[in-house]
Amino acid sequence: QRVTQPEKLLSVFKGAPVELKCNYSYSGSPELFWYVQYSRQRLQLLLRHISRESIKGFTADLNKGETSFHLKKPFAQEEDSAMYYCALINAGNNRKLIWGLGTSLAVNP
Amino acid sequence: NAGVMQNPRHLVRRRGQEARLRCSPMKGHSHVYWYRQLPEEGLKFMVYLQKENIIDESGMPKERFSAEFPKEGPSILRIQQVVRGDSAAYFCASSPVDDSGNTIYFGEGSWLTVV
Repeated sequence: QRVTQPEKLLSVFKGAPVELKCNYSYSGSPELFWYVQYSRQRLQLLLRHISRESIKGFTADLNKGETSFHLKKPFAQEEDSAMYYCALINAGNNRKLIWGLGTSLAVNP
Repeated sequence: NAGVMQNPRHLVRRRGQEARLRCSPMKGHSHVYWYRQLPEEGLKFMVYLQKENIIDESGMPKERFSAEFPKEGPSILRIQQVVRGDSAAYFCASSPVDDSGNTIYFGEGSWLTVV
């Protein structure tokens, strides 16, 4: 099982669309999450695929065919600048999260 | 609900000393996870505990690191004889016993600096 976030750093201008990529490999039915970490703060849950909700304008759709769970926002804001982690739950007997390495999003004015 | 509480927030230790990091889970949570975030790297799973029981320690270094979650009191991550490479942010997380939504909640982290 693995979670891959191919971009270590993503830089966009304010108002531009943003997409943070996440691909996974998992043999069962995964449960996927996006967490956000603002500068030196705690990690916060942003989205989980089972809830299919939009938080702070962000959405993410699970694409089982492409094994992806990309995070999207149509118009980036400066306050979106943060570290974003994609994670997958190991629904076996220990339920630990498997993390991507994270993507640092910088939204420039 | 006060959330997951970690202390100390910042800890400085000299090489060879011991570091103890504490984590009090959210009220009603009986599962605790420790993660390490090295500079310029992502989160790495270390250990998963339930009260008085280590469930998965596959991410723990084989030597010098230990973790416990006693029946009473916080979970403790202990690093003996620290080295410079142990300098990192250590995050604790907790989840409820019923695993509702499979969501885990994080503390604010403890930043260890080894000088």
